[in-house]
Amino acid sequence: DADVTQTPRNRITKTGKRIMLECSQTKGHDRMYWYRQDPGLGLRLIYYSFDVKDINKGEISDGYSVSRQAQAKFSLSLESAIPNQTALYFCATSDLAREDTQYFGPGTRLTVL
Amino acid sequence: GENVEQHPSTLSVQEGDSAVIKCTYSDSASNYFPWYKQELGKRPQLIIDIRSNVGEKKDQRIAVTLNKTAKHFSLHITETQPEDSAVYFCAATLGSSASKIIFGSGTRLSIRP
Repeated sequence: DADVTQTPRNRITKTGKRIMLECSQTKGHDRMYWYRQDPGLGLRLIYYSFDVKDINKGEISDGYSVSRQAQAKFSLSLESAIPNQTALYFCATSDLAREDTQYFGPGTRLTVL
Repeated sequence: GENVEQHPSTLSVQEGDSAVIKCTYSDSASNYFPWYKQELGKRPQLIIDIRSNVGEKKDQRIAVTLNKTAKHFSLHITETQPEDSAVYFCAATLGSSASKIIFGSGTRLSIRP
């Protein structure tokens, strides 16, 4: 879905580095999410935001932080990256009117050496 | 905590045959159950969903059934085609408030020619 974009698409970094993943959407949705995907574990929720002033932890928030800079932008930060944060990261959006359907971005493949 | 279990983890069927993927959920308040398809290297995309007020929903070759009493739901794909090869994820809402979704661990479906 081209309405949800993520940058960068691929990133290789070193242990201890700070890294930010960005998500933008033009769908006008108020709700945004960050997931990570690991082989055999499906998609696990890191953080979610129902509007600009609302930030909530998901099931695996340790080691991550987020910022909702605007309705259309939601960033995920790894303050000090570690190798077990190597994964595929997806941003998703949904709206209040159809709050259950989530639309995913193309993903960011992050490798921490 | 609440969870969604998905079986099988891998499934191989002959082209033209049917495929069935099953999920169980633990939160009795869950009221929305989407299914996502993820092709290799792509983002998850919604293929069908069902809400708790219906027991079955069909869209061409794809159908989903829901048994709220037993807390399980299933995806049925008939007349399988090569383009059905992908990883499929089931999901369920946390509670009835929606917007927070728990995903199953995924089923890798392969269609044999």
